[in-house]
Amino acid sequence: EPEVTQTPSHQVTQMGQEVILRCVPISNHLYFYWYRQILGQKVEFLVSFYNNEISEKSEIFDDQFSVERPDGSNFTLKIRSTKLEDSAMYFCASTGESGANVLTFGAGSRLTVL
Amino acid sequence: TQLLEQSPQFLSIQEGENLTVYCNSSSVFSSLQWYRQEPGEGPVLLVTVVTGGEVKKLKRLTFQFGDARKDSSLHITAAQPGDTGLYLCGGSASYGSARQLTFGSGTQLTVLP
Repeated sequence: EPEVTQTPSHQVTQMGQEVILRCVPISNHLYFYWYRQILGQKVEFLVSFYNNEISEKSEIFDDQFSVERPDGSNFTLKIRSTKLEDSAMYFCASTGESGANVLTFGAGSRLTVL
Repeated sequence: TQLLEQSPQFLSIQEGENLTVYCNSSSVFSSLQWYRQEPGEGPVLLVTVVTGGEVKKLKRLTFQFGDARKDSSLHITAAQPGDTGLYLCGGSASYGSARQLTFGSGTQLTVLP
């Protein structure tokens, strides 16, 4: 069964450092998303990406965040200067053109900012 | 901003008991999904409901979408320890092309043997 792959599974970084989280969405999907889940809290929408540009973004997705689809298969989330409060599980998701918003999520990347 | 309220937040029951989890909003959703999340993993889709009043069954799980498409429920019959996990509802509004989901806070279910 097709799946969304995320790397790394866990990254520890120092405050102020740049972090890039990588995702390989399902190959024939067209919509890509990043969500985050702070420990013990709800899954929160960060950004959606379609046709090589951002479609929607939340208030969380400020200037420190950026997304890119550099090569047609990878979908990356960059945090330029990490803060302690960026510590969370980051989930990538994708969905195809058809269906009622059925998202397939990756297993997540746990980011710990020290 | 659309909000989804899930209740209860935590639920601990004995094997064989029945339970219902609720997902409520003041907003109308074009579709609503239920996901289950295991520790250290991403949410896994259980079901999607799109029509007001729709009822879907998945083995011992019964999902219902409210007539007004503002609320949904998940009922588990004869719960088993394997049902333990975090259950999330996620709603999608009929706006934009990116179709983002708004998630509830989740219900942590523990089924004791």
